[in-house]
Amino acid sequence: AQSVAQPEDQVNVAEGNPLTVKCTYSVSGNPYLFWYVQYPNRGLQFLLKYITGDNLVKGSYGFEAEFNKSQTSFHLKKPSALVSDSALYFCAVRLGGSQGNLIFGKGTKLSVKP
Amino acid sequence: ETGVTQTPRHLVMGMTNKKSLKCEQHLGHNAMYWYKQSAKKPLELMFVYSLEERVENNSVPSRFSPECPNSSHLFLHLHTLQPEDSALYLCASSQDRVSTDTQYFGPGTRLTVL
Repeated sequence: AQSVAQPEDQVNVAEGNPLTVKCTYSVSGNPYLFWYVQYPNRGLQFLLKYITGDNLVKGSYGFEAEFNKSQTSFHLKKPSALVSDSALYFCAVRLGGSQGNLIFGKGTKLSVKP
Repeated sequence: ETGVTQTPRHLVMGMTNKKSLKCEQHLGHNAMYWYKQSAKKPLELMFVYSLEERVENNSVPSRFSPECPNSSHLFLHLHTLQPEDSALYLCASSQDRVSTDTQYFGPGTRLTVL
C-alpha cells in the first residue's frame, strides 16, 4: 500500500533562514512525488513534482525538493524563507505507471516569523 | 486559481436541506475529482470522473451524489447531511488520469452542516 508521512505538524522558521519541510513515502515501485501549498481559505496550489531524472527538482516561488531513493524521502526546501511562505504544505505520492490516485500526507504548517 | 472555479465558496445548510456544489475547469482537462478536507486529517478522495464517466467512488455515503454533465463541469449534490460532513470540499482536475499528470485544485467550498 502507498503512504506518505509528514512527521512534523508544524515548522517554525525565522525570515531569511533556510527552511525544510519533511516528507517520506512508501510505495511498492517507482514513486511520483508532488508538493502542494495551501494558503488560508484557499485550495491547494501545485509547487513541484518529481517524475524521473535529476533528483533535485525546482518549483514555484523559489522552492525545491530533493528525491532521495535510499531514504525514501522528498523534503521540500527553500534557501531563504519569507513571511509570505507561511502556509500549509502537503506532500503527495502516486505509484508510477499506474492510474492510481494521489495519496496525500496530513500536511505541515509552516510559520515564518519576521 | 482561475483555472478551476468552485461555487459557492461558503455554504451553511441544515440537515434536511438539499444543496449542490459546482465546479468548473477552464483547462481543457479530461479528469475531475472531488476531495473532502477535514481538520487534522489527510485529504480524502471522494469521486473521480474521467471523460465524464465515474471511475471511482471511495465508499462515500449516498447522501453525496456526484454529477458530471460534461468534461468541464462537476457537481456534488448534497442531501440529509450530518454535522460531521462539515468540511472544505475541493474540486480538482488533471489532463488525464496518467500518473505523471498534475492535479489542479479549485479554492474549495467551506460547508457547515447545522
